[in-house]
Amino acid sequence: DAKTTQPNSMESNEEEPVHLPCNHSTISGTDYIHWYRQLPSQGPEYVIHGLTSNVNNRMASLAIAEDRKSSTLILHRATLRDAAVYYCIPYNQGGKLIFGQGTELSVKP
Amino acid sequence: KAGVTQTPRYLIKTRGQQVTLSCSPISGHRSVSWYQQTPGQGLQFLFEYFSETQRNKGNFPGRFSGRQFSNSRSEMNVSTLELGDSALYLCASSLWFVDNEQFFGPGTRLTVL
Repeated sequence: DAKTTQPNSMESNEEEPVHLPCNHSTISGTDYIHWYRQLPSQGPEYVIHGLTSNVNNRMASLAIAEDRKSSTLILHRATLRDAAVYYCIPYNQGGKLIFGQGTELSVKP
Repeated sequence: KAGVTQTPRYLIKTRGQQVTLSCSPISGHRSVSWYQQTPGQGLQFLFEYFSETQRNKGNFPGRFSGRQFSNSRSEMNVSTLELGDSALYLCASSLWFVDNEQFFGPGTRLTVL
């Protein structure tokens, strides 16, 4: 299983963009990069995923380095509801997500 | 479409007892995974079932077991409960494609006294 390194915590101001980095230097060529987040007192929630190209959806954007050894989750305008623990997960086995420690994002009004 | 449901939501047991937790996946989802979340170890993968077969298993002792029924509903069982089994147990369902997202239920909070 690929290892990931994420900052333990990050702070952001409301309405500002947030860039959450993840290092996954041991990722294999077939691993997708998934991002999940866990809001307080809830189960994890899917955010976005990609393989090689940058991806956008209504929640966020995912920028993947050309060598795929790192990626960045971008929240374009942080809201208070985005305060959560964010996990980046290299994933290629159906149903088996290996969660690391994640990044705890706090958003200040 | 209804989300993933887990029952019961809260459970209190004593050491040595056994417990069964239930998970109903989203309609049409055939893969069900189970996770344990504790403050010390974080989120850890227990096992995953697809079409009634266990496809993946995490590093947990044999006291932890599961099964999946033909309607994709799944149960997990923990026998001979220990204090350290106190945790939030999360179930997630997904379509069978490897790059599909998993949808998590609210979890079952198990307390072992």
